[in-house]
Amino acid sequence: GAGVSQSPSNKVTEKGKDVELRCDPISGHTALYWYRQRLGQGLEFLIYFQGNSAPDKSGLPSDRFSAERTGESVSTLTIQRTQQEDSAVYLCASSLYAGTDTQYFGPGTRLTVL
Amino acid sequence: AQSVTQLDSHVSVSEGTPVLLRCNYSSSYSPSLFWYVQHPNKGLQLLLKYTSAATLVKGINGFEAEFKKSETSFHLTKPSAHMSDAAEYFCVVSDQNDYKLSFGAGTTVTVRA
Repeated sequence: GAGVSQSPSNKVTEKGKDVELRCDPISGHTALYWYRQRLGQGLEFLIYFQGNSAPDKSGLPSDRFSAERTGESVSTLTIQRTQQEDSAVYLCASSLYAGTDTQYFGPGTRLTVL
Repeated sequence: AQSVTQLDSHVSVSEGTPVLLRCNYSSSYSPSLFWYVQHPNKGLQLLLKYTSAATLVKGINGFEAEFKKSETSFHLTKPSAHMSDAAEYFCVVSDQNDYKLSFGAGTTVTVRA
């Protein structure tokens, strides 16, 4: 079946602009996760959804970052007033349920803030 | 809280020779441990997963890893490297029943012909 998909694959934006990144999880997966991967580093956890609610937003770096999920499906990560330090690959993952279920990752969105 | 240290940032091997990627972890509870691989411009793919069953875990593409609690290690091995194994490898830990994954910084594997 189809895996996790993300769009756009690449995004170049100017400092101060807002961006929206989209994630389509595997159909039927109730849990969805956002991670950030900075150049040469491992992944940092940002936020996770169980259904449409986000019990843990502890990884969001600042109040410029927000995310929502609708219909227990698509999720959007929004970064307002982008800064150069926001440049990274943003990865989305989904799992059948939160907890020990394997997380399946999308290909990521590479964000470059000029 | 859990964390992972990948002891080598870069490993270079000749095709047909063994590969060893070293990983040490810390975890407050019984951990779940994973190895993921990331090929250039591709998403992360799960190689194998340990969740308190057999300590020797076999994964895809001939990889395996051994959980050693006394050494807090979860090293990844493959007996014979193939050119297609060139990629970045991440060791990952989570506290059991916890959704939050902690990633190591990654090990880049280069395979020489």
